[in-house]
Amino acid sequence: KQEVTQIPAALSVPEGENLVLNCSFTDSAIYNLQWFRQDPGKGLTSLLLIQSSQREQTSGRLNASLDKSSGRSTLYIAASQPGDSATYLCAVKTSGYSTLTFGKGTMLLVSP
Amino acid sequence: DAGVIQSPRHEVTEMGQEVTLRCKPISGHNSLFWYRQTMMRGLELLIYFNNNVPIDDSGMPEDRFSAKMPNASFSTLKIQPSEPRDSAVYFCASSDRGHGNTIYFGEGSWLTVV
Repeated sequence: KQEVTQIPAALSVPEGENLVLNCSFTDSAIYNLQWFRQDPGKGLTSLLLIQSSQREQTSGRLNASLDKSSGRSTLYIAASQPGDSATYLCAVKTSGYSTLTFGKGTMLLVSP
Repeated sequence: DAGVIQSPRHEVTEMGQEVTLRCKPISGHNSLFWYRQTMMRGLELLIYFNNNVPIDDSGMPEDRFSAKMPNASFSTLKIQPSEPRDSAVYFCASSDRGHGNTIYFGEGSWLTVV
């Protein structure tokens, strides 16, 4: 059974810092991996999706990497801003017909 | 597109009452998911439909929970009778398998059972 772990559970940084959020998964035979953002009281918004054949995906200040062999993914946020404050969740899809397994998220606070 | 639409956004009900949560997926999406989120357990998949057919309901906690998808544009999640431990945020999500499987979430139904 796939298990997804995110470390740290919470992170507080000053504005402008570059930061890395970590996600690890137990079964390296994955189909794809997604990073989501969740604002308080809101649903999840997909940020980046990495297919199993890819090593990374970029969108603006966000860069997600995938290392299947080690069962790890990282979300890099450059030049963090207070508007980046949210919970970031990682989710893994084991096959094309399977559903997503989510980590519990990292709660990020970026202070002005 | 309006996105995934859920109702009600908030519901407070008494233990023993029936609760019905509703979802309208994104038009054209053929997969629909119901998730439950709590602080303790995080996001848990309850049930997954593909082309209106339930594919995996192994996450439905017990017989008090039931879900239906009578057509491609509507789904319900029902809890009868409700219990305080059912208090959580219930999310509906949909995806189009042909578009890289990106999944789109609704804003959730916040359920409190007292």
